[in-house]
Amino acid sequence: EVHLVESGGDLVHPGGSRRLSCAASGFTFSFYEMNWIRQAPGQGLEWLANISISGSVTSYADSVKGRFTISRDNGKNSVFLQMNSLRAEDTAIYYCATGGDNGAYFQHWGQGTVVTVSS
Amino acid sequence: DIQLTQSPSTLSASVGDRVTITCRASQNIYSSLAWYQQKPGRAPKLLIYKASNLESGVPSTFSGSGFGTEFTLTVSSLQPDDFASYYCQQYNRYPWTFGQGTKVEIK
Repeated sequence: EVHLVESGGDLVHPGGSRRLSCAASGFTFSFYEMNWIRQAPGQGLEWLANISISGSVTSYADSVKGRFTISRDNGKNSVFLQMNSLRAEDTAIYYCATGGDNGAYFQHWGQGTVVTVSS
Repeated sequence: DIQLTQSPSTLSASVGDRVTITCRASQNIYSSLAWYQQKPGRAPKLLIYKASNLESGVPSTFSGSGFGTEFTLTVSSLQPDDFASYYCQQYNRYPWTFGQGTKVEIK
């Protein structure tokens, strides 16, 4: 069974940094692209970042480009999101999700980790 | 960016009803559309991919259709477990985007 577990969420001051992790199990991690998606309180879903199978290609939403960095470690079955220059509007639940077997949809999701940016 | 507009934003229905949610794209996305269900406090769950393909394990009461710019998610007979929010998502072109969501409430 596919299992994704995010960690690293916390209360962060504006301008601060945080690194989120997502540990994967139950599937061949190195076969799947990975993504980070967030959901602000009471709001909809926002895709943030994607990383290729090898980790050599990344893509970002404009809202986080230049501030957030996605990376992966296939040896440790993990994907990461380094978040810098955090703002109040980055407050959200952050989900990691696999790419799909047949396209760039989000097939499997973790339970999410909460990041709150506040002074 | 490709904008996805869902309608309605809220839908009130009863158990056993047939319900349809529409997702309109601001440009042609061919069949690169997925649908998700999200319950309060839970992560989204994939229902449909490539506009009309049912994800494994999803009840056959769910179906998707459409191509190009107009898509629909239909629940043929609403069950108590189906009261939730639903989102469409396009993956034809970066940045991948979601619709604003449709909340299906109990009438």
